[in-house]
Amino acid sequence: SAVISQKPSRDICQRGTSLTIQCQVDSQVTMMFWYRQQPGQSLTLIATANQGSEATYESGFVIDKFPISRPNLTFSTLTVSNMSPEDSSIYLCSVSIDEQFFGPGTRLTVL
Amino acid sequence: GENVEQHPSTLSVQEGDSAVIKCTYSDSASNYFPWYKQELGKRPQLIIDIRSNVGEKKDQRIAVTLNKTAKHFSLHITETQPEDSAVYFCAASSRNTGNQFYFGTGTSLTVIP
Repeated sequence: SAVISQKPSRDICQRGTSLTIQCQVDSQVTMMFWYRQQPGQSLTLIATANQGSEATYESGFVIDKFPISRPNLTFSTLTVSNMSPEDSSIYLCSVSIDEQFFGPGTRLTVL
Repeated sequence: GENVEQHPSTLSVQEGDSAVIKCTYSDSASNYFPWYKQELGKRPQLIIDIRSNVGEKKDQRIAVTLNKTAKHFSLHITETQPEDSAVYFCAASSRNTGNQFYFGTGTSLTVIP
């Protein structure tokens, strides 16, 4: 299994600012995944963060808007840049070890 | 990429009845199909999964069936209880594509006591 923590757990931000979300895993994993879950919606994969290479983004998501860092095998950050109210969502990081484990999520509200 | 569709979006059943949720997927390379339960304000939790070399898997009151030819899989919950009320998500994944998981749109299940 995997224990995943995220910081912050929630935040309220002003339009136009940026927020960096941190994700820490208690074991080394090659890939970490970032998802977005808008209110009442399903989970949408934003990108896959590989250690030692650039993140791979899904259709509709770009690096300028959601830059990702992956400095080592247990840590990753996702930045939500130049935020607008449409970015209000829960952001979850995830790892795959036999099954997929999710972090507790970061609830972001953009005013 | 993979496209996962899920039906129904909402489902209400009487306590003790069965609930069935169905999903279809588009990528024939997908070979792992988990189901997640998400309670309000909590993270998704894996409840059962099935791999493409198996047609059916059961764990107590929960079962999953897979039809690879038709590219669909289903979740069956028998003898439903009020604590089964939650949102359920299916997903599809392939190790060939890096283990990314693609989720269905979710089913909000309400079990009426």
